[in-house]
Amino acid sequence: GAVVSQHPSRVICKSGTSVKIECRSLDFQATTMFWYRQFPKKSLMLMATSNEGSKATYEQGVEKDKFLINHASLTLSTLTVTSAHPEDSSFYICSARNPGTGEGVNTEAFFGQGTRLTVV
Amino acid sequence: AQKITQTQPGMFVQEKEAVTLDCTYDTSDQSYGLFWYKQPSSGEMIFLIYQGSYDEQNATEGRYSLNFQKARKSANLVISASQLGDSAMYFCAMRGYYNQGGKLIFGQGTELSVKP
Repeated sequence: GAVVSQHPSRVICKSGTSVKIECRSLDFQATTMFWYRQFPKKSLMLMATSNEGSKATYEQGVEKDKFLINHASLTLSTLTVTSAHPEDSSFYICSARNPGTGEGVNTEAFFGQGTRLTVV
Repeated sequence: AQKITQTQPGMFVQEKEAVTLDCTYDTSDQSYGLFWYKQPSSGEMIFLIYQGSYDEQNATEGRYSLNFQKARKSANLVISASQLGDSAMYFCAMRGYYNQGGKLIFGQGTELSVKP
């Protein structure tokens, strides 16, 4: 099956610094990727839709200046948490759909391994 | 608006027994897809099973089956012959026909614990 790789898997950073998380589709080209945030034992909350070659679409309540998304190529999307605060500590996970399998409702979403961010 | 509801925050099951995880949904789309994912403590999302809104038969994948009742808008996951490795969070998700780019909407999740 298709593979999505996310890096790093864990990161600890100091308050006020920025952290970049990468999401790569390894064996397909993804025009659209999705970024989710998850608190412990809670649901995955969609943060934004990353579109290759254009601006990301953010969900309501997500600060676009705080969570910068760049989809520079068909295989790479990055999420940068700027000026991180302890409340940004969370599990971030990306997903992508292989457009080669069609655009219907039944196409599987492939997820990265996730990144556990801790801001101290 | 689309919504997925999982009303069981936690479930226990004895090893080798079957367990049903509940999922109800709400959508105005005529065409939609329903997914179940397993998330172990490592955090990865593992795809389990898919049911399309126009599929007349319930989906099955090995020990996983989906009890799809369209009129009741429910898509319950049945795990047969539970194993210790089934202990994890389970998420029901939906993709609607008009969802931009195919995003998934997730339920709150159910934490399943399998007892030896």
